[in-house]
Amino acid sequence: SSELTQDPAVSVALGQTVRITCQGDSLRSYYASWYQQKPGQAPVLVIYGKNNRPSGIPDRFSGSSSGNTASLTITGAQAEDEADYYCNSRDSSGNHLRVFGGGTKLTVL
Amino acid sequence: EVQLVESGGGLVQPGGSLRLSCAASGFTVSSNYMSWVRQAPGKGLEWVSVIYSGGSTYYADSVKGRFTISRDNSKNTLYLQMNSLRAEDTAVYYCARESSGSYENNWFDPWGQGTLVTVSS
Repeated sequence: SSELTQDPAVSVALGQTVRITCQGDSLRSYYASWYQQKPGQAPVLVIYGKNNRPSGIPDRFSGSSSGNTASLTITGAQAEDEADYYCNSRDSSGNHLRVFGGGTKLTVL
Repeated sequence: EVQLVESGGGLVQPGGSLRLSCAASGFTVSSNYMSWVRQAPGKGLEWVSVIYSGGSTYYADSVKGRFTISRDNSKNTLYLQMNSLRAEDTAVYYCARESSGSYENNWFDPWGQGTLVTVSS
């Protein structure tokens, strides 16, 4: 089955731009979706498809993809963006499975 | 309002069984793909299983043969029957609606609040 690789931790200064990446073979065929999870809470969808934001997600969140890498960019990070972020896609093996990345802990300094 | 509410978690001994429920409101479970995702304490998200609107089911290798996903259309509820439980199955279990704009696209929204399963003697 496929794997998605994320950096375990990333930090950003308040108001600056940060990119969180997700690498995996499945991303050559499938789009990634991205989830924000704060301590003690369920994950929340922030980006899906080519670059789509659900209702209620600030426009400082955006997504992109190139080759085997998907990226989540936060432009002008806010203190409330400090959280764990996970990517997800379908497995590229054609076996109907899904896969999550290991997660990136974002610290806003 | 679209909402998912899980229940059924608890403490179970290794080798035991448990059935989780996920009650949906605001949409029809049987018309959607529905997944279970779990998160072990202090760890990341792990996809567990999916049931398609047509009824096909698929499982992560880690639970195949032990877990069964199903739904009750009359109750608009999703289930996860977990048998032969192991310590490594200890996790918060979330249910989520899965959407797909195209074959290359999938996303989970909304998620339930999660239910904790602890496998320990």
